[in-house]
Amino acid sequence: QSVLTQPPSVSGAPGQRVTISCAASGSNIGPGFDVHWYQQLPGTAPTLLIYGNNNRLSGVPDRFSGSKSGTSASLAISGLQADDEADYYCQSYDSSLNSVVFGGGTKLTVL
Amino acid sequence: QLQESGPGLVKPSETLSLTCTVSGGSISSNEYFWGWIRQPPGKGLEWIGSIYYVGTSDYNPSLKSRLTISVDTSKNHFSLRLRSVTAADTAVYFCARYDIVGENLDHWGQGTLVTVSS
Repeated sequence: QSVLTQPPSVSGAPGQRVTISCAASGSNIGPGFDVHWYQQLPGTAPTLLIYGNNNRLSGVPDRFSGSKSGTSASLAISGLQADDEADYYCQSYDSSLNSVVFGGGTKLTVL
Repeated sequence: QLQESGPGLVKPSETLSLTCTVSGGSISSNEYFWGWIRQPPGKGLEWIGSIYYVGTSDYNPSLKSRLTISVDTSKNHFSLRLRSVTAADTAVYFCARYDIVGENLDHWGQGTLVTVSS
């Protein structure tokens, strides 16, 4: 089971704003650990979207933004577009497992 | 770039072996670990483990007893061996570069599907 919990799905109409949450269980992922976000388009490998909680990778539209507070993080996507439809994963590091950990993933549907 | 290679079909109880070839840069960098991630059909991502170019490795505790990750700097590639596989090991296997400072996976291979079936 993931130590990072994401909603299985979110949806929104074109032009709307959606947020995807990523909640860490326990105290293994705390203020000292960053959260990163990946986008996985259908049939492709994941790509890094947001790193270090709130930094967009070069080329990522500013419609995508990340935030983190304590042991919870969020990915916000504004001005939804059809090609934003994808699976989104958060990732961090668990100090007790001494391992990279992923959230379970959230499927974004653009209505 | 990273590119996975290996058999797409493995029999139950046998060993799954994959290699990830790194191009466009040296695997012998002190900035990166080199990792494996898998994704069962229709499911989420699972961290398998990673290796540093000098051979230091870390493994997912749930796979540790069956897993070996190795590196060959002369060939600029790293490898995965998973023993005693079952149908539950059927997945798309990705290799990726892990940025040590950033603690994220900044480059991924395209992935390769490995099916465990007799």
